[in-house]
Amino acid sequence: TQLLEQSPQFLSIQEGENLTVYCNSSSVFSSLQWYRQEPGEGPVLLVTVVTGGEVKKLKRLTFQFGDARKDSSLHITAAQPGDTGLYLCAGVGHLRGAQKLVFGQGTRLTINP
Amino acid sequence: NAGVTQTPKFQVLKTGQSMTLQCAQDMNHNSMYWYRQDPGMGLRLIYYSASEGTTDKGEVPNGYNVSRLNKREFSLRLESAAPSQTSVYFCASSVIRAGNTIYFGEGSWLTVV
Repeated sequence: TQLLEQSPQFLSIQEGENLTVYCNSSSVFSSLQWYRQEPGEGPVLLVTVVTGGEVKKLKRLTFQFGDARKDSSLHITAAQPGDTGLYLCAGVGHLRGAQKLVFGQGTRLTINP
Repeated sequence: NAGVTQTPKFQVLKTGQSMTLQCAQDMNHNSMYWYRQDPGMGLRLIYYSASEGTTDKGEVPNGYNVSRLNKREFSLRLESAAPSQTSVYFCASSVIRAGNTIYFGEGSWLTVV
């Protein structure tokens, strides 16, 4: 069974601080996705990283895929209250004719003004 | 743009009752999925349908059945609800190719008492 471990599970910091969320697995994935979920809504895809060592930036968010494609990190610079939400990483694999997503437990991030 | 639409949004069931969660997507996607989300466990795949006319079990299929009614619609049925099925259920859809965006509905909150 493929597992993804996210850490920390909860994080509460002040506006303006930096933070990093980690997503680790013993399995290799073809790619890895990061989602953000707000209360009462479904997850929304932020980014897909495909190549080992790949770094993608989305404004103040930086996503990195580990060289061995087993782990990933999300770094937020100068966090803002609007970044508050549940962040989920998901390893991407294959089902018969469909996509297989293995989700981490999520990191609930709270940015205090 | 509707995207993925789920009904009902909220439902309370008594143990042993049955119900069907409805899902429809308007993006002409081939693949559709049902996930459940429980605190501290991320999202887990219940059933999926790679294309119209096919359905397959995911990680946690016990106690559920599905029907891919047509390309747009994918329903999830609880034949005899149990308290362990209290959860938030998400329907999702995507094109077939792995690594592409999976679009989630807004979720259905189900409580079994």
